[in-house]
Amino acid sequence: GENVEQHPSTLSVQEGDSAVIKCTYSDSASNYFPWYKQELGKRPQLIIDIRSNVGEKKDQRIAVTLNKTAKHFSLHITETQPEDSAVYFCAALLEPETGNQFYFGTGTSLTVIP
Amino acid sequence: ETGVTQTPRHLVMGMTNKKSLKCEQHLGHNAMYWYKQSAKKPLELMFVYNFKEQTENNSVPSRFSPECPNSSHLFLHLHTLQPEDSALYLCASSQADHRGELFFGEGSRLTVL
Repeated sequence: GENVEQHPSTLSVQEGDSAVIKCTYSDSASNYFPWYKQELGKRPQLIIDIRSNVGEKKDQRIAVTLNKTAKHFSLHITETQPEDSAVYFCAALLEPETGNQFYFGTGTSLTVIP
Repeated sequence: ETGVTQTPRHLVMGMTNKKSLKCEQHLGHNAMYWYKQSAKKPLELMFVYNFKEQTENNSVPSRFSPECPNSSHLFLHLHTLQPEDSALYLCASSQADHRGELFFGEGSRLTVL
C-alpha cells in the first residue's frame, strides 16, 4: 500500500506571512495528490490538487508543487489570513484494479496569528 | 439535499450495544468510503465500495461491518466496540472510474463507553 508522511504537525505564522506544508509518499504508482482543508468541526474539503504529469499548480494564494523523482509534494499558502487557520491534509491516490484508494497524511494544524 | 449526509452526527454507545451509522450521497457517484479520524492520526481508510462491490477492507476488525445496498447508501454496523474505537467516522464518495475529488460528509462522532 501507500504511506504518506506530512510535516510539520503544527504551524503558526503571522498574518501576511507564507506557510509551507510538506508531504512525502512511498508508492511511485500514486498519480494524483489532493490537499484538503478541515476547519474545526467541519468536513474536509478539497482546496487544490495536482496530477502526476504536472510539476506545479497555482490557485490565487495557494500553490502545490510535485517532485515525482523524490516522491514529495508541498502546499504553499502566501499572504496568510486568519481564515486560513485549519487542519490541512495531503493525500495520495493509488488506482489499483479494485478502485480508487486515497491515503492521507497525519495533518498539519495551521494557526494564522492576526 | 445535496452532497454527502451522515446520521447520526453524534453517538454514544456501550461496549455491548449494536448500532449503525448511515451515509447517503446525492452526487451520482459510484464509489463510497468509510474513513476513521482519530486525534493525531492520519485519516484511516476502512472500507471502499466501487459500484456497490466492496473492494477494500484495510484489516478492519470484524466488529465493524459495512453494507452498501446501492450506490447512494452506505452503512457501518457497529457491534461489541472498544473504547479505542471512539473517533470521528467520515463517509466520502467519488467517481470510481477517474481520479477525482473525494466529497466528505460531516462525520459521525462516536464515543464508546
